[in-house]
Amino acid sequence: GAVVSQHPSRVICKSGTSVKIECRSLDFQATTMFWYRQFPKQSLMLMATSNEGSKATYEQGVEKDKFLINHASLTLSTLTVTSAHPEDSSFYICSADILGSWTQYFGPGTRLTVL
Amino acid sequence: DAKTTQPNSMESNEEEPVHLPCNHSTISGTDYIHWYRQLPSQGPEYVIHGLTSNVNNRMASLAIAEDRKSSTLILHRATLRDAAVYYCILSPGNQFYFGTGTSLTVIP
Repeated sequence: GAVVSQHPSRVICKSGTSVKIECRSLDFQATTMFWYRQFPKQSLMLMATSNEGSKATYEQGVEKDKFLINHASLTLSTLTVTSAHPEDSSFYICSADILGSWTQYFGPGTRLTVL
Repeated sequence: DAKTTQPNSMESNEEEPVHLPCNHSTISGTDYIHWYRQLPSQGPEYVIHGLTSNVNNRMASLAIAEDRKSSTLILHRATLRDAAVYYCILSPGNQFYFGTGTSLTVIP
């Protein structure tokens, strides 16, 4: 149980375009979803925390107008990278938790390459 | 955010036990200790978590020092599939701030 999926798994786009990444909890309702970014050979960096029906809380240094997060239901959160540039190329990972479980369940990640 | 310190890398022989240490001297009373592992190009996988007492599950054991300033993840018999980066994370609530982790190499 507690499976989180992401779509797409890999995306290549041109500079200046926007890219949407979906994160779904498949067999549970997620109280909170999280978005991370990971550059090669580095650790995961928390970008934002989102609760269903509320505005996301962004970590310091993360541009909220560039990384738009929508958490419309208890099983779906989306991250849109707007006007993507090559420096936005990274591995984006989402996670979800179940209230009271103290555990996050991670998705498989989305590899974004901006040309 | 409470900080964790882990060795950058460790090696273990296959089928031998592995003890992965984590220091967290600034841990607060409400911080849970979580361990996750990550294979290349995959999302992290939950391993184990605890608060004060030692914990066991089918994957591993977590030994927490009495003063909670350090903990050790124990893999009882390392297999090649255990080769990964292991992260020790402190969390007072549901937000995780990852440190650099320990890259575990398992030698056949």
